[in-house]
Amino acid sequence: NAGVTQTPKFQVLKTGQSMTLQCAQDMNHEYMSWYRQDPGMGLRLIHYSVGAGITDQGEVPNGYNVSRSTTEDFPLRLLSAAPSQTSVYFCASRAPGQHNSPLHFGNGTRLTVT
Amino acid sequence: DAKTTQPNSMESNEEEPVHLPCNHSTISGTDYIHWYRQLPSQGPEYVIHGLTSNVNNRMASLAIAEDRKSSTLILHRATLRDAAVYYCILRDVAGGGADGLTFGKGTHLIIQP
Repeated sequence: NAGVTQTPKFQVLKTGQSMTLQCAQDMNHEYMSWYRQDPGMGLRLIHYSVGAGITDQGEVPNGYNVSRSTTEDFPLRLLSAAPSQTSVYFCASRAPGQHNSPLHFGNGTRLTVT
Repeated sequence: DAKTTQPNSMESNEEEPVHLPCNHSTISGTDYIHWYRQLPSQGPEYVIHGLTSNVNNRMASLAIAEDRKSSTLILHRATLRDAAVYYCILRDVAGGGADGLTFGKGTHLIIQP
């Protein structure tokens, strides 16, 4: 079982560049979300989606865009990278119709913006 | 969102039980208590959750105080692979959408061989 797959694992960007972090899940989960984790901190919610075609903002959405054209994929786009976006990014999903079901996380993308 | 308080770090010996405490004095009636752990260089991993009664699964046990203002995650026989950051999280199932998962700094569990 692949679960939640994130690519790339590592990325270095220069300030102002744009890029897309990929997230795919093969569990038919309707709910997907993106978190960022800064050193010594807990995870903070960036954006989430409750199904294809539906997205919404989390706690720290500024500087990021998302779209959800399929159930499987939930890419996160950085429009113009800034050093403050240096972080580890985690994608997560959970089973449909079960608000209390566990979140399944990917292993993260480590992003450095210089 | 109701908050949780955990010790910054704890240390235990291999093959001994570990009790990880969590205080949540402002918990509401619709908050479930969830525990996740994060091993080095990995994403968080679900451990266990409960509402009022104690819960057991293959990974751990969750003991919930009668007034629900605190809980304890119990690893019955710690191994070196249990060294991780453990997060105690309140999850409001009455809320919709954003999922309600707020990760604090957690407890860094160190296991000594």
